Amino acid sequence: EIVLTQSPGTLSLSPGERATLSCRASQNLRNRFLAWYQQRPGQAPRLLIYGTSSRATGIPDRFSGGGSGTDFTLTISRLEPEDFAVYYCQQYDNSPLFTFGPGTKVDIK
Amino acid sequence: EVQLVESGGALVKPGGSLRLSCAASGFTFNNVFMIWVRQAPGKGLEWVGHIKRKIDGGKTDYAAPVKGRFTISRDDSKNTVYLQMNSLKTEDTAVYYCSPQGGSGECANWGQGTLVTVSS
Repeated sequence: EIVLTQSPGTLSLSPGERATLSCRASQNLRNRFLAWYQQRPGQAPRLLIYGTSSRATGIPDRFSGGGSGTDFTLTISRLEPEDFAVYYCQQYDNSPLFTFGPGTKVDIK
Repeated sequence: EVQLVESGGALVKPGGSLRLSCAASGFTFNNVFMIWVRQAPGKGLEWVGHIKRKIDGGKTDYAAPVKGRFTISRDDSKNTVYLQMNSLKTEDTAVYYCSPQGGSGECANWGQGTLVTVSS
C-alpha cells in the first residue's frame, strides 16, 4: 500500500501570502495520479487538482499543483480568506487501492 | 449540474447492519466508477471502496478495514449506488460520502454525506 505523508501538519499564514503544501508518497507515482482536495469546516471536501496539475472545474488559478515521482506540491499563490481550510492529497497510482494523506491545515496567522 | 444525495445513515449497535444509498444526477451514471469515502469525527478522509462500470464487470474493491464486511452495489436504472455495511464496529462511525471517479482516480464531486454512528 502506498502511504502519503503531508507536511507541514499546520501552516499559519496571513491573507495575501503564498502557501506551499507538500505530499510525499512512499512509492513512485508513475502515472502521476495525485489529487488535492479542500475541506472547509462543516463542509464536504471539494476537488481542487487532479492528475497532479489539472485544475478542477471552477477552481481559481491561484491554485496550482505540481511534482513527480514521490514528491508533489499544492501551491496557493495568494491566500484569500476562504482558502483557510484543510487540504488533503490522494493517490490512485496504486490501483485499485486509493489512499489519502492525513491533511494539512492552513490557518490564519 | 452534478448532484449526489447520500442517505440511510443512522445510529446502530455494534454488530448491526445498515444500507446506505447515494442517488446521483447530472452525469452519465452507467459510464463511471463510483467511490465511497468516509470521515470519522475530527479525522481525515478514508477510502472505503469503489465499484466499476457494468461494462467492466461491475467489479468491486475495498479497503482492508472493511473488506468482507461491506458490499458496494449499483443500480444503473436508478442512478444509485449502495453501501451495505454488516458486522458494524464502533470504528465505522463516520460521515459517508459517495463520488463519481474521475479518469485519474480522483473523487470528482461530493455530496453532503450521511452520518453513521455505531454505539451501544
